[in-house]
Amino acid sequence: DIQMTQSPASLSASLGETVTIECRASEDIYNGLAWYQQKPGKSPQLLIYNANSLHTGVPSRFSGSGSGTQYSLKINSLQSEDVASYFCQQYYDYPWTFGGGTKLELK
Amino acid sequence: EVQLVESGGGLVQPGRSLKLSCAASGFTFSDYNMAWVRQAPTKGLEWVASISYGGSNTHYGDSVKGRFTISRDNAKSTLYLQMDSLRSEDTATYYCARHSGLGYFDYWGQGVMVTVSS
Repeated sequence: DIQMTQSPASLSASLGETVTIECRASEDIYNGLAWYQQKPGKSPQLLIYNANSLHTGVPSRFSGSGSGTQYSLKINSLQSEDVASYFCQQYYDYPWTFGGGTKLELK
Repeated sequence: EVQLVESGGGLVQPGRSLKLSCAASGFTFSDYNMAWVRQAPTKGLEWVASISYGGSNTHYGDSVKGRFTISRDNAKSTLYLQMDSLRSEDTATYYCARHSGLGYFDYWGQGVMVTVSS
């Protein structure tokens, strides 16, 4: 199985700051990577797919990058509504697997 | 608007069975692959099972293979998850999700809680 290691596990940042979350795969996943946002008590929502494509309706302050085994999610100009947990997911190979998550809080 | 509404959760004893349903609307259900993803309390996400748009192809996570069965009724726009031989570690919120042909989940339901306990 492909293991997804996400870092950091938690993160505290100020409004307006730029935040970066990393995800490392145990083998090359050829950009088969998605990022999800999950607000407290809600279901996950797709942000990014194919490593760098923005899902419909997602604000442009979110962006994804990376290749091979290393990927990242960047949030520019952090807003209060971005407080949430973020998960990466690989879909290059079965079984599809998720990272452990990053909990983002406001400083 | 895409809507996915799960039902059928609840408290069940270890070893027993439970069947979840997911009613879909707002899109042509028979055109899309579908999946179940679960999340144990305060834990991360775990993909459970997927089914192709026509129902002929299914895939399962290792932890549920042989115990859970995913199915669909395209005439009713409904996805199912039959869960047999339930264990305490199956306790989780179960989400129904639509997924792309590639494998990312573009729409999710609100989730349904399943608690396995004696």
